[in-house]
Amino acid sequence: GAVVSQHPSWVICKSGTSVKIECRSLDFQATTMFWYRQFPKQSLMLMATSNEGSKATYEQGVEKDKFLINHASLTLSTLTVTSAHPEDSSFYICSASLALGGHTQYFGPGTRLTVL
Amino acid sequence: QKEVEQDPGPLSVPEGAIVSLNCTYSNSAFQYFMWYRQYSRKGPELLMYTYSSGNKEDGRFTAQVDKSSKYISLFIRDSQPSDSATYLCAMSVAGGGNKLTFGTGTQLKVEL
Repeated sequence: GAVVSQHPSWVICKSGTSVKIECRSLDFQATTMFWYRQFPKQSLMLMATSNEGSKATYEQGVEKDKFLINHASLTLSTLTVTSAHPEDSSFYICSASLALGGHTQYFGPGTRLTVL
Repeated sequence: QKEVEQDPGPLSVPEGAIVSLNCTYSNSAFQYFMWYRQYSRKGPELLMYTYSSGNKEDGRFTAQVDKSSKYISLFIRDSQPSDSATYLCAMSVAGGGNKLTFGTGTQLKVEL
């Protein structure tokens, strides 16, 4: 149980284009989903927290107009990297918490974004 | 000083060894403690979850929490090459919206 999927797993795009990443909780409802960014050999950096039906809460230093997050349902959150640039190239990982309490997060497999 | 400190390693052990991974933290409000395993280019996988102080065992894995010392450990018995990965400790406070604070991760290599 507690499976989280991400799509796509790998994407290459040209500079200036936008990329959408989907995060789905497959076998549970998640009122809260999280988006992380991870650079090579570094730990996870929380970008934002999203709750179903409300606006995402962004961490300090994360541009909300650059990284658009939508949490339209209890099983789906999306991250759109707008006008992507090479410095946005990274490994993006989502996670989800169970709706009925619990402090664990279940992570998706990650999406590797390369911006040319 | 970081809220959660974790030795980044790398830690190299022979197959069959007992591995000890540790984290220290400074925020006494942390009550929920987790260990995640992350293989290269994959998302973290939850290994152990404990609440407050005490021990928890699951197969070859044992998690220990000592809140008085602000110290948590993960022990891996009979380590296998497939255990080679980065191990992340994570913790959260009650009422914190399930937000996790992570250690930097310890890279473990189990050699044949």
